[in-house]
Amino acid sequence: DAGVTQSPTHLIKTRGQHVTLRCSPISGHKSVSWYQQVLGQGPQFIFQYYEKEERGRGNFPDRFSARQFPNYSSELNVNALLLGDSALYLCASSLGDNTDTQYFGPGTRLTVL
Amino acid sequence: DAKTTQPNSMESNEEEPVHLPCNHSTISGTDYIHWYRQLPSQGPEYVIHGLTSNVNNRMASLAIAEDRKSSTLILHRATLRDAAVYYCIPLHQYDMRFGAGTRLTVKP
Repeated sequence: DAGVTQSPTHLIKTRGQHVTLRCSPISGHKSVSWYQQVLGQGPQFIFQYYEKEERGRGNFPDRFSARQFPNYSSELNVNALLLGDSALYLCASSLGDNTDTQYFGPGTRLTVL
Repeated sequence: DAKTTQPNSMESNEEEPVHLPCNHSTISGTDYIHWYRQLPSQGPEYVIHGLTSNVNNRMASLAIAEDRKSSTLILHRATLRDAAVYYCIPLHQYDMRFGAGTRLTVKP
């Protein structure tokens, strides 16, 4: 079975631009979560979507937004990019039950110049 | 949110057991305790989770203190492939907060 897939693998943008990152969950999983991982730190929670509704949000500015589609895939959008947005962006999928075991994709490495 | 305390780093010899501790003294009664690990250049990988009882799976064992304020991840025989950063996470309402984790080094 295919795991969580993310695209693109790497991305280079300049300050002020916007970016869209994509995630396809494991088949049968209805929940997708997004994380930002800056070099040397643990992943930081951005959003969780379940059945196309936002179920949780971390401490990130409104420049960050996401949505989940009827097929449960998801997009993360970041507007007005800053140098500090350079990071590995991780997507995780889960069944969305109360134990919420999450399965992570390989991530998208975003570099903002 | 429950705060966690883990050692920054630990070392182990190959084929020996490893006990990775975690303190989570402010955990809520219904929060599951999850452990994930992250190998270099990869996304985090689920290891094990539990609520109150000790748990075993093919990767590891999880020992949870009776008061649930601490837990220990046990790797029974460390291999070089177990070298990773290990994260202990009390899961509160789908909000998975990773800390800095413990970097495990396995020596041959």
